Amino acid sequence: GAVVSQHPSWVICKSGTSVKIECRSLDFQATTMFWYRQFPKQSLMLMATSNEGSKATYEQGVEKDKFLINHASLTLSTLTVTSAHPEDSSFYICSAAAGRNTGELFFGEGSRLTVL
Amino acid sequence: GEDVEQSLFLSVREGDSSVINCTYTDSSSTYLYWYKQEPGAGLQLLTYIFSNMDMKQDQRLTVLLNKKDKHLSLRIADTQTGDSAIYFCAETAGGGNKLTFGTGTQLKVEL
Repeated sequence: GAVVSQHPSWVICKSGTSVKIECRSLDFQATTMFWYRQFPKQSLMLMATSNEGSKATYEQGVEKDKFLINHASLTLSTLTVTSAHPEDSSFYICSAAAGRNTGELFFGEGSRLTVL
Repeated sequence: GEDVEQSLFLSVREGDSSVINCTYTDSSSTYLYWYKQEPGAGLQLLTYIFSNMDMKQDQRLTVLLNKKDKHLSLRIADTQTGDSAIYFCAETAGGGNKLTFGTGTQLKVEL
């Protein structure tokens, strides 16, 4: 199946700094990628839909200035958590659709962010 | 908004069958999915079913869909310790690639 890779898999940062997480589709082109946030023992919460070459679409309650999304190419989307605070600590997961509009998504391995 | 509900926890013995249930509210769902998440990892698509189907079988996995009751289930035959994980059902919220995930069911397989 298609492969989606996230980097870094784990990051620890100080409060007030910014952290960038990358999501790459390795063997296919993805015009649309999705970013999720997952708290321990909870489901995935969709944060935003990343569209190649255009602005991301954010879900209600997600601050677009806090979570900057850039989808500059068909194989790369980035999520930047700006001025991170301890409450931003979470597991961030991306997914990409391999073209067909069927909802069959391929997920990255996830990135665990810990803000001290 | 759409709600997708699952039981939180299920424990079975190795070799038994596991049945994980899911209920959803969006009647316009086109596809319904089962994903598996192992600890500290992303999600892996196990199987999916189109809304005009009642059943789909794929090796040890059987998906049943009751569209009238908006109920989806995943049966794992001959459950193994490697099946221990969290299982999420998901639906397309009005079609397309934007999924709504269930609350997740943690499956524990005991020897």
